[in-house]
Amino acid sequence: GAVVSQHPSWVICKSGTSVKIECRSLDFQATTMFWYRQFPKQSLMLMATSNEGSKATYEQGVEKDKFLINHASLTLSTLTVTSAHPEDSSFYICSAIMARGFQETQYFGPGTRLLVL
Amino acid sequence: QKEVEQNSGPLSVPEGAIASLNCTYSDRGSQSFFWYRQYSGKSPELIMFIYSNGDKEDGRFTAQLNKASQYVSLLIRDSQPSDSATYLCAVTPFSGGYNKLIFGAGTRLAVHP
Repeated sequence: GAVVSQHPSWVICKSGTSVKIECRSLDFQATTMFWYRQFPKQSLMLMATSNEGSKATYEQGVEKDKFLINHASLTLSTLTVTSAHPEDSSFYICSAIMARGFQETQYFGPGTRLLVL
Repeated sequence: QKEVEQNSGPLSVPEGAIASLNCTYSDRGSQSFFWYRQYSGKSPELIMFIYSNGDKEDGRFTAQLNKASQYVSLLIRDSQPSDSATYLCAVTPFSGGYNKLIFGAGTRLAVHP
């Protein structure tokens, strides 16, 4: 399968600071990437769709000014959690679409665990 | 009604048995169907996908799709303790755009020796 990396894998920060998470497709180009959040024992929640060269599309209820997304290239998308608070502590996972002809498959990164103190 | 529904489980099966995981979806126009496995504390890992009605086999895994009944299932033959995980069903809806996936809440599978 395709390889998607995330960095960092763990972040512990103080309340009020901003945290940037990187998502990279390592062996393919991805015009579309997604950002998810998962709280303990809950399902994946899609936060936003990141498109290379254009603004991200946010899901209802997700604050675009708090979760800044930049899809700077075909292999890199970043999520910045601005002014993080304890309630933002969660498991953040990105995914990237790999297209082979008409077949498009979404592969996930290993996730970033954020703890805001 | 949730867009993608799965029984949360846990589904408990003995080692060597067949585990059957089911998923129903509400959008009749859904295009693509995926099964992901998620171990505790890890991100989802793609197991297989299916687009057409019928069965698709890959090793010990078989995905079954019935669009008329709007369900998709995953069979795991010769279940192993290492198969113990949460299995997520995901669907690309007709109107989703951007190939967005709609996930079910997942079924927790426990394979006991």
